[in-house]
Amino acid sequence: SQQGEEDPQALSIQEGENATMNCSYKTSINNLQWYRQNSGRGLVHLILIRSNEREKHSGRLRVTLDTSKKSSSLLITASRAADTASYFCALNGQLTFGSGTQLTVLP
Amino acid sequence: NAGVTQTPKFQVLKTGQSMTLQCAQDMNHNSMYWYRQDPGMGLRLIYYSASEGTTDKGEVPNGYNVSRLNKREFSLRLESAAPSQTSVYFCASKRGGGGGAPHEQYFGPGTRLTVT
Repeated sequence: SQQGEEDPQALSIQEGENATMNCSYKTSINNLQWYRQNSGRGLVHLILIRSNEREKHSGRLRVTLDTSKKSSSLLITASRAADTASYFCALNGQLTFGSGTQLTVLP
Repeated sequence: NAGVTQTPKFQVLKTGQSMTLQCAQDMNHNSMYWYRQDPGMGLRLIYYSASEGTTDKGEVPNGYNVSRLNKREFSLRLESAAPSQTSVYFCASKRGGGGGAPHEQYFGPGTRLTVT
């Protein structure tokens, strides 16, 4: 399958806490991308990590990639209510998305 | 720079009616995509166009047709709408020419379609 699977399906945390979500996949990849979708809106690209990278940072986002385990994680530090959204991973810029992780950040 | 625009934002159709969803991008991107998203689900690819003049089926093409009118515009047509096509439809574009190119996709705001 060319589709990543996000885990957990839903995550609820308090503002200021860190949020971690995971993406597992079965095929080999050249890169993996994370997207965010606010309720009722289109997806927004967050970060891309290539297969030869192990970790990447962008602001409060940290992405790791373990190609031996075929998994990636997205860490959002010091979460805010505005981070409430669904998060999706996409493989190789491929055209399929899993069901996502629904993150709720409580004020 | 408007990015990806979609019209209409909302539409209600009766079963059997037809309509065309419009999408345009002003980023000079080669690739364009149509997705549908059902409640609580991820996006499923309907059709895509890797470059002007080409279109290909995605995961769920049945009941839809597309036209890549020019590099900017990619339309999605429902010839005979069915209740199962009630969904939110997203258009997206990407700079790269192929599905595997490591470029991000830019999404439009979506069209909410209800078929009664």
